[in-house]
Amino acid sequence: DTAVSQTPKYLVTQMGNDKSIKCEQNLGHDTMYWYKQDSKKFLKIMFSYNNKELIINETVPNRFSPKSPDKAHLNLHINSLELGDSAVYFCASSQEASGKHEQYFGPGTRLTVT
Amino acid sequence: SQQGEEDPQALSIQEGENATMNCSYKTSINNLQWYRQNSGRGLVHLILIRSNEREKHSGRLRVTLDTSKKSSSLLITASRAADTASYFCATGGLGGGGNKLTFGTGTQLKVEL
Repeated sequence: DTAVSQTPKYLVTQMGNDKSIKCEQNLGHDTMYWYKQDSKKFLKIMFSYNNKELIINETVPNRFSPKSPDKAHLNLHINSLELGDSAVYFCASSQEASGKHEQYFGPGTRLTVT
Repeated sequence: SQQGEEDPQALSIQEGENATMNCSYKTSINNLQWYRQNSGRGLVHLILIRSNEREKHSGRLRVTLDTSKKSSSLLITASRAADTASYFCATGGLGGGGNKLTFGTGTQLKVEL
């Protein structure tokens, strides 16, 4: 009954490959996010979807493409992986319709590009 | 560039002592939040304070916000070993961007027995 879940937890792949990370939330929230946390623990927002509509799109290479099939899911596809993509990627969700800005985070996906 | 800078970067205290962490930010905000991250885990929301609030309490946590100085502090009273974690402040933007969070650099807290 995990609130925000991500798969896989660990992902090791070679440069140039394409990979996807999946996220699901069972909180009934209307907004979902992807964050990237680097090796220095700096956390930066990448994307946000509200009711399946993209509302935040930070300066992220277009090799990263989010997809939200429904309100409960937000997946992240990464093309042509590079060494610099190695990081921990966190999914999060919040209920913005009620004005609540608290975000609930998933456990993270540690991506290692070799 | 980063919105929030946290101070100190690392803090080591004895169990039972109070821990104070500070956060400074650069632009006007809608809200400021504090999160905890245990090693190898996701972030856990602790407390949210809105820009028109000055102080908020939740259990052993006390948060203050000074919008004139663009700063906030998180006080954890009577710390426990289980409080050992990294603590991040995050600011939500104005207008419809209250949920667009910009995170600080984090404070690593170690509570020793």
